[in-house]
Amino acid sequence: EVQLVESGGGLVQPGGSLRLSCGGSGFSFSSYDMTWVRQAPGKGLEWVSYISSTSHTIYYADSVRGRFTISRDNAENSVYLQMNSLRDEDTAVYYCARDRRYSSGDYYWYFDFWGRGTLVSVSS
Amino acid sequence: QMTQSPSSLSASVGDRVTITCQASQDISNYLNWYQQKPGKAPNLLIYGASHLERGVPSRFSGGGSGTDFTLTINGLQPEDTATYYCQQYDTLPLTFGGGTKVEI
Repeated sequence: EVQLVESGGGLVQPGGSLRLSCGGSGFSFSSYDMTWVRQAPGKGLEWVSYISSTSHTIYYADSVRGRFTISRDNAENSVYLQMNSLRDEDTAVYYCARDRRYSSGDYYWYFDFWGRGTLVSVSS
Repeated sequence: QMTQSPSSLSASVGDRVTITCQASQDISNYLNWYQQKPGKAPNLLIYGASHLERGVPSRFSGGGSGTDFTLTINGLQPEDTATYYCQQYDTLPLTFGGGTKVEI
C-alpha cells in the first residue's frame, strides 16, 4: 500500500524557519517525482514545488521561490521542504504528493497519491 | 488561470451534476480533476481531461479540451459530498481552480 506521511509542521513566528519531511513507503520511492501542495485554512489548493526523481529538475511557485528549498534523499525514501523567511500567508496545511509524469501518445502529469498533510502556522 | 463554476451547488441523490472549469488560454487536454472531502487530502479522479483513475467509480467522467472542461457525476451519491478541483499542467506554475463544493 502506498503511503506518504508528512511531519515537521508547527507554530513559527514570522521570519522563522521550518523543515517539513515526507516519508514514502509501499512503492519504489526513487522512481517517482514528488510535489508539495498547500492549502490555507478554508481556501483552495496551491501548488508549491516539484522535484524530479533524481533531483535534477526542480520547480517552485513564484510565491515561495527564494525562500523555500525542496530536496530529497532516496536512500531515506524522503522528500523535504525547507521553509525560510516564513510569512503569515504561508500558514497552511502542506501536503506531499506523488507525481506521475509521462508521455504515452499524449502527455500526462498528475498527483496520484497524497499524504494527510502537516499544518504550518505562522504567527507572532 | 483556472475558473470553476459554480462555486457551490446542492443536488439530490441520483441527480446528474456537471462542474465546469475554464482555462484562460488553450491548455489542450492537460487537465486533472480532484475530489477533496472535509478534513481529508485530495484524491485524483480524472487525469488528461477524460481518463478515469483506477478505482474511481464510473459515475464520474471528464470531458473537454482547449479552454473548456467538465466533470460530470452521473447519479450523485451521498459519499460524493466534497469539494472538486480542476488543475492544469500545461504551463508552470501548475494551478488549481477555486473549487466547487457539492452538497447533497
